[in-house]
Amino acid sequence: QVTLKESGPVLVKPTETLTLTCTVSGFSLSNARMGVSWIRQPPGKALEWLAHIFSNDEKSYSTSLKSRLTISKDTSKSQVVLTMTNMDPVDTATYYCARRSNEPTKPFDYWGQGTLVTVSS
Amino acid sequence: SYVLTQPPSVSVAPGQTARITCGGNNIGSKSVHWYQQKPGQAPVLVVYDDSDRPSGIPERFSGSNSGNTATLTISRVEAGDEADYYCQVWDSSSDQVVFGGGTKLTVL
Repeated sequence: QVTLKESGPVLVKPTETLTLTCTVSGFSLSNARMGVSWIRQPPGKALEWLAHIFSNDEKSYSTSLKSRLTISKDTSKSQVVLTMTNMDPVDTATYYCARRSNEPTKPFDYWGQGTLVTVSS
Repeated sequence: SYVLTQPPSVSVAPGQTARITCGGNNIGSKSVHWYQQKPGQAPVLVVYDDSDRPSGIPERFSGSNSGNTATLTISRVEAGDEADYYCQVWDSSSDQVVFGGGTKLTVL
């Protein structure tokens, strides 16, 4: 079955760079039809899309965060990595990875459990 | 940027029908997806492409989309339906995935 699992630091300091890894199973990152997005949710707030990587390695980023984000993948390890630079306390959130078709009008059909990242000195 | 507007909260008695709206400029021209999120859990897709249901989602969940409003309808509401619900679209003009602000469904 399809699963996604996020991993990374629980706590980062302001100005540091966050690196999160999404390990997937049940589908291939080289599958011509599937990609992976990162989505975050601050405590008590709404979901916010961050970035998407397509099966052909094309990337798409949130306009408001584009300068701070990099998404990449290692197909051999079945991993998608998100880096976010210059972390700030407002970036405290649960970070999810989710699977979506390469067709951007399609939904996120499988989600990871999420990982809570706290930004604090 | 494209904005999706949801009511912060909706309350309904068990057995009644809940309707959660999602407003956006000409949203009827877009494919709308709905997610259910219970406390401490990841979102779960309950309706996609305006009105289709993933396997395993009860028929009580349905959706519609026209003009400037999409609607998630939950019939015969149960206590287990209490959750936050989010609508989502892709805005082609900006190549951005957009989520609504979420609606908390309370079952009285």
